Amino acid sequence: GAGVSQSPRYKVAKRGQDVALRCDPISGHVSLFWYQQALGQGPEFLTYFQNEAQLDKSGLPSDRFFAERPEGSVSTLKIQRTQQEDSAVYLCASSPRRLAGADTQYFGPGTRLTVL
Amino acid sequence: QKEVEQDPGPLSVPEGAIVSLNCTYSNSAFQYFMWYRQYSRKGPELLMYTYSSGNKEDGRFTAQVDKSSKYISLFIRDSQPSDSATYLCAMSGGTYKYIFGTGTRLKVLA
Repeated sequence: GAGVSQSPRYKVAKRGQDVALRCDPISGHVSLFWYQQALGQGPEFLTYFQNEAQLDKSGLPSDRFFAERPEGSVSTLKIQRTQQEDSAVYLCASSPRRLAGADTQYFGPGTRLTVL
Repeated sequence: QKEVEQDPGPLSVPEGAIVSLNCTYSNSAFQYFMWYRQYSRKGPELLMYTYSSGNKEDGRFTAQVDKSSKYISLFIRDSQPSDSATYLCAMSGGTYKYIFGTGTRLKVLA
């Protein structure tokens, strides 16, 4: 079956540009997560959606980061005025249940963002 | 000090060896312990999911949790070159917020 998909897989941006990263979760999954994985590090939590509601955005590093999931399926992570420190792999994960608890999270392949 | 510590490696072993991967943690509230495998330029893939203390076995993989020592392990028996990847431990206190280790890079030499 189809897993979590993300696009684009690679994105190069000039410093100051805005970028939008897309996540298609597993069909029917209620919970959706975004993580940031810097080179040589583990993923770090950014934000959590239950359906279309963004219940937790405590991990977003600055107000330049914005995420949405307007219809409760596809999600977009937008980064405005990109900076070099934003260079990382952005991972999306989904989980079948509400609030997820410590439910299994299924990850997509990630989008590798490089800011020049 | 990070909540979850993991040796980044790389760890190189010959094919067929038993591999031991470990994480330590400081937060006694952690109850759920996961091991993910991440191939280069791919997303993490869940290998093992364990609740509380004890052992769990799945094929060539065994996960151990020792909550008294705040120490978890993943053992891989009869390691294969296809096991070469980065292994990430992750933990949760029961919420959706996973805390990941930095990952250990494993190379299994043919």
